[in-house]
Amino acid sequence: GAGVSQSPSNKVTEKGKDVELRCDPISGHTALYWYRQSLGQGLEFLIYFQGNSAPDKSGLPSDRFSAERTGGSVSTLTIQRTQQEDSAVYLCASSTEIGQAYEQYFGPGTRLTVT
Amino acid sequence: AQKVTQAQTEISVVEKEDVTLDCVYETRDTTYYLFWYKQPPSGELVFLIRRNSFDEQNEISGRYSWNFQKSTSSFNFTITASQVVDSAVYFCALLTGTASKLTFGTGTRLQVTL
Repeated sequence: GAGVSQSPSNKVTEKGKDVELRCDPISGHTALYWYRQSLGQGLEFLIYFQGNSAPDKSGLPSDRFSAERTGGSVSTLTIQRTQQEDSAVYLCASSTEIGQAYEQYFGPGTRLTVT
Repeated sequence: AQKVTQAQTEISVVEKEDVTLDCVYETRDTTYYLFWYKQPPSGELVFLIRRNSFDEQNEISGRYSWNFQKSTSSFNFTITASQVVDSAVYFCALLTGTASKLTFGTGTRLQVTL
């Protein structure tokens, strides 16, 4: 079946511009996660959704970062006024439910480069 | 706080050698899950295994095996008779009862050459 998809696969933007990253989870998965992978910080958690609500936003690096999920499916991660330190690969994952028993399946990521 | 340590940054082996990737974790929770993911050059994280804190049985899947020891807080991963296709970055991760997010180690880059 179809896995997690993310778009765009690559995004180059100028410092100060806003960007939107999209994630399509596996059909039927109620839980959705965003992670960031960068050279300096490794793989770090950003935010997760259970349905359309985000109980844990603790990983968002600053108020320039926001995310939403609509219809219990597609999610968008928005970065406003991008900075060079935002350059990273942004990974989305989904799982059947929230909780330890459910493995998270990852998408191919969006590579963001801020120039 | 949760923490995962993968002390080996990079390992190089010749094909057919066995190789063990180390993972040490820290958590105060008694209920938790441990994971291994593979990230090949294509970049997508591939799930390999999940193990819960109450099941210390070792697991074998083909050339892969995992050794979970609560006494030393370790969850090591062994590849037997390595192949070039095993070349990737391998991540160990922890998920605890108080959070739904994965805490990843820094990864171990495995290079298998002919």
